[in-house]
Amino acid sequence: TQLLEQSPQFLSIQEGENLTVYCNSSSVFSSLQWYRQEPGEGPVLLVTVVTGGEVKKLKRLTFQFGDARKDSSLHITAAQPGDTGLYLCAGGRGGYQKVTFGIGTKLQVIP
Amino acid sequence: GAVVSQHPSRVICKSGTSVKIECRSLDFQATTMFWYRQFPKQSLMLMATSNEGSKATYEQGVEKDKFLINHASLTLSTLTVTSAHPEDSSFYICSAILAGGPSEQFFGPGTRLTVL
Repeated sequence: TQLLEQSPQFLSIQEGENLTVYCNSSSVFSSLQWYRQEPGEGPVLLVTVVTGGEVKKLKRLTFQFGDARKDSSLHITAAQPGDTGLYLCAGGRGGYQKVTFGIGTKLQVIP
Repeated sequence: GAVVSQHPSRVICKSGTSVKIECRSLDFQATTMFWYRQFPKQSLMLMATSNEGSKATYEQGVEKDKFLINHASLTLSTLTVTSAHPEDSSFYICSAILAGGPSEQFFGPGTRLTVL
């Protein structure tokens, strides 16, 4: 079983600050997804990265896939209260649709 | 597009009863759906892979006779928790994959099950 470790598990910051959360594994993944989950709801897909070293931007969110495809990071610039939620990374293996989820980073942005 | 619904959103039942949860892909066909369970402050744990027209594939440690999965059509999968007990109380979430697509999953809103 591949394990995805996310850090930090909890993060509370002030509005306007920048932050980075990490997703690490000892295993190689062919794709990695980031999701955000609100309490009592299902996760919502933010982005998928598939190429080592790939960087994708979604407004104030920047996602990077490690060169070796074992790790990923999510950087948020000028965080806003609407960014509050649980951020989950999930790794997929080529040709196989199951993914493994990390435990998540719970982010709280204080106005 | 790619909307997945679940019904019911919340259910409370007595110990020993069975509960059925539906997962529907509203605007696309899904040959594969997944069922997850999420306990408080924990991540999503895959329970089983639901394949249209064939038997579900269960993850290790998940009792197939307790968690019955039926994927009768390309847009509907059901999970039945049989003889539910308080330890089955959890947040059950389904997801679906676009037929022919990559491993991106579209999740339903979840079902909160409370067994008294």
